[in-house]
Amino acid sequence: GQQLNQSPQSMFIQEGEDVSMNCTSSSIFNTWLWYKQDPGEGPVLLIALYKAGELTSNGRLTAQFGITRKDSFLNISASIPSDVGIYFCAGQGNDMRFGAGTRLTVKP
Amino acid sequence: DAGVIQSPRHEVTEMGQEVTLRCKPISGHDYLFWYRQTMMRGLELLIYFNNNVPIDDSGMPEDRFSAKMPNASFSTLKIQPSEPRDSAVYFCASSSPPRQETQYFGPGTRLLVL
Repeated sequence: GQQLNQSPQSMFIQEGEDVSMNCTSSSIFNTWLWYKQDPGEGPVLLIALYKAGELTSNGRLTAQFGITRKDSFLNISASIPSDVGIYFCAGQGNDMRFGAGTRLTVKP
Repeated sequence: DAGVIQSPRHEVTEMGQEVTLRCKPISGHDYLFWYRQTMMRGLELLIYFNNNVPIDDSGMPEDRFSAKMPNASFSTLKIQPSEPRDSAVYFCASSSPPRQETQYFGPGTRLLVL
């Protein structure tokens, strides 16, 4: 399906720093999902958002469903080396669409 | 609980050969999805099933691709004949109502067609 606009494409950060990434679309979505993919593995669901304005946390991760229903962001606080991976957003409207991913590198 | 199980994890074949990828969804999940992931195109939905019935196969690239779900615990994705451009990672995912959009992915099958 058509990709969502996910940014940034990649991030290089120092351990302990906070991270923020986002996805935008011209279409309205009913659900936003954030996944993490490690090398050689399938995407693992991190956070699911079902309502506009919803703010949900999962440990050091926080994600929000934009009020306009056309965007979402994911924040990671106090990054650690195991946060390394590719983070994908996905939006469900008439169909499921995925962002191209944000590749996160964390330097110890 | 076991997650989505896919086999094989890796497949190397020659152009023209038939390839069959297998998936066992999470028990109790009514929805099953097949995706393809490449560097160029990212994650693409190929087909999905609800209660073993194909609902949307508009993402299947061409007639060389076919998918079946003979029962609630098993699905196959077949490519015949395979071509080098089919090389990709193929993922199976499953989900259940009322949150069928919340999909759980398998580890994927990495396919290389020479």
